[in-house]
Amino acid sequence: GESVGLHLPTLSVQEGDNSIINCAYSNSASDYFIWYKQESGKGPQFIIDIRSNMDKRQGQRVTVLLNKTVKHLSLQIAATQPGDSAVYFCAEGSGNTPLVFGKGTRLSVIA
Amino acid sequence: EADIYQTPRYLVIGTGKKITLECSQTMGHDKMYWYQQDPGMELHLIHYSYGVNSTEKGDLSSESTVSRIRTEHFPLTLESARPSHTSQYLCASSEPRGKETQYFGPGTRLLVL
Repeated sequence: GESVGLHLPTLSVQEGDNSIINCAYSNSASDYFIWYKQESGKGPQFIIDIRSNMDKRQGQRVTVLLNKTVKHLSLQIAATQPGDSAVYFCAEGSGNTPLVFGKGTRLSVIA
Repeated sequence: EADIYQTPRYLVIGTGKKITLECSQTMGHDKMYWYQQDPGMELHLIHYSYGVNSTEKGDLSSESTVSRIRTEHFPLTLESARPSHTSQYLCASSEPRGKETQYFGPGTRLLVL
């Protein structure tokens, strides 16, 4: 079946550096993609989303890039802060079906 | 911030007990979901509902059951808890049309002894 997977299970970055979290997806028919952040002991929290007809979308300190040619999604976090330490999930959506979540990447920020 | 609530937040229970995990949302969302997640691991969809009296099984086989009698309420029941049910259970809801951006509750951590 279709799946969404992440390239790296863990990522460590220095405080103040930029972080890039990657995601590969396999359903070329997906309409939109969402990034979630999950802190320890909490439910996933919506960060940003992007529709399949876009290739870039920016939020506050975050940017999502979509490359449909290679079916790749990335989340860029500028000036990473200790509060950004969490597990990040990408998810893809299509039509009226539930989201498909990736396996997650743990981001650790080194002070 | 999404208005979705789960109770209890933590539950320790013995094998064989019947338990119900509560989930409520005040956003009027038609769609609701239950996920099972081991700490730091991926999310597994176990049940979902697209409206009152509508329930579907998710990708992960589960011995739990759900009901959807009211829009705002989507409880999950385990008739006979086992140690293999030890996990975190996350409830989510999403708007009825367009993107299925899901908003999650805080989760229930279940430990079955």
